[in-house]
Amino acid sequence: QSALTQPASVSGSPGQSITISCTGTSSDVGGYNYVSWYQQHPGKAPKLMIYEVSNRPSGVPDRFSGSKSGNTASLTISGLQAEDEADYYCSSYTSSSTVFGGGTKLTVL
Amino acid sequence: EVQLVESGGGVVRPGGSLRLSCAASGFTFDDYGMSWVRQAPGKGLEWVSGINWNGGSTGYADSVKGRFTISRDNAKNSLYLQMNSLRAEDTALYHCARDWDGMDVWGQGTTVTVSS
Repeated sequence: QSALTQPASVSGSPGQSITISCTGTSSDVGGYNYVSWYQQHPGKAPKLMIYEVSNRPSGVPDRFSGSKSGNTASLTISGLQAEDEADYYCSSYTSSSTVFGGGTKLTVL
Repeated sequence: EVQLVESGGGVVRPGGSLRLSCAASGFTFDDYGMSWVRQAPGKGLEWVSGINWNGGSTGYADSVKGRFTISRDNAKNSLYLQMNSLRAEDTALYHCARDWDGMDVWGQGTTVTVSS
């Protein structure tokens, strides 16, 4: 149950696009289409942004998109806005558990 | 309104026990799997345990296996986490979350502090 690997931080200017990667193994990310992404603002509970690799829950802007290739999943945020500044976490189901990534701090410059 | 409310956190000495509860409302509780996720101060999210809709299947992180037990009472719309043999590294904010297509509903959490 090793944590998925995410970059510690990414940054971008308003209007730009950024991508956050999430690398696992064939036992988690690569083996299942059950990758989710969560946004967490300071002092708040996490919010589901993407489920099953690329699906957006109702109410999540279409600026947020997800994809997967092999053992690496990605979250792309286009048209960055100030309110997107937050921590982002990926997660994946495995055969008997769920594993999170270490988290990525997104800074909007 | 769909809502999850955790309770039962507190300060406990190493080796002690606590039982966390999570009260669900606004949705059909027994339609969903549930999970506990914790976040140590200044750290990332860590999945702790999960349970399917009827309690027939459970899973645990290696870090808590053998010490924590997840359960649910669908008649009371409640989820529980029994935590035994607590360690300093169990200190965290514990969230319960509805777990279906991703964890789409989260409670605000209850704080557990393990300290002598």
